[in-house]
Amino acid sequence: AQSVTQLGSHVSVSEGALVLLRCNYSSSVPPYLFWYVQYPNQGLQLLLKYTSAATLVKGINGFEAEFKKSETSFHLTKPSAHMSDAAEYFCAVRRGGSQGNLIFGKGTKLSVKP
Amino acid sequence: EAGVTQFPSHSVIEKGQTVTLRCDPISGHDNLYWYRRVMGKEIKFLLHFVKESKQDESGMPNNRFLAERTGGTYSTLKVQPAELEDSGVYFCASSQVQGINYGYTFGSGTRLTVV
Repeated sequence: AQSVTQLGSHVSVSEGALVLLRCNYSSSVPPYLFWYVQYPNQGLQLLLKYTSAATLVKGINGFEAEFKKSETSFHLTKPSAHMSDAAEYFCAVRRGGSQGNLIFGKGTKLSVKP
Repeated sequence: EAGVTQFPSHSVIEKGQTVTLRCDPISGHDNLYWYRRVMGKEIKFLLHFVKESKQDESGMPNNRFLAERTGGTYSTLKVQPAELEDSGVYFCASSQVQGINYGYTFGSGTRLTVV
């Protein structure tokens, strides 16, 4: 069975600082992994996805994530935080085959201080 | 391309009443998923349609929830009768598998409050 664990329900960084949101996964098969973002009063927006093509995945808004099989991790990073990055971020793993549903982590709320 | 549309965006109903949520997926997407996030908890899968057929409904909490997707286009999720613990945000997503170039597109969600 697949699962994801997001470490830290709240992360606070200063504007311009590195953003690091942690996600560890558990999967008995090669995982398909996703990061989604939810801005206040909006839906879920795909940031990036890992589909085994490349271990370093670049997404929108300057975010990227690196798949590390040895560490079962898929951490999300951004070199320099912007006030507009304040949102809730969700890591997810696809369950089962190509049409499987997503299994989400509990989410991490990112605050950006001026 | 139009995205996934959900309505209403908000619904406040009394315990015991019935509410119907609607999701319009991206045109041509065979797969449609319903998820729910109860306050403070993670987003949880409810069920999955492939066209008009229920592929997986293992996440449906109980028989007060009924989902339909007539004609394989839009879907409805009915809660009857609603209970306080049904409050939360209900998300719909759609996808079309095309090799590795697939993705799950989510709607903005329906915030349901049962009072």
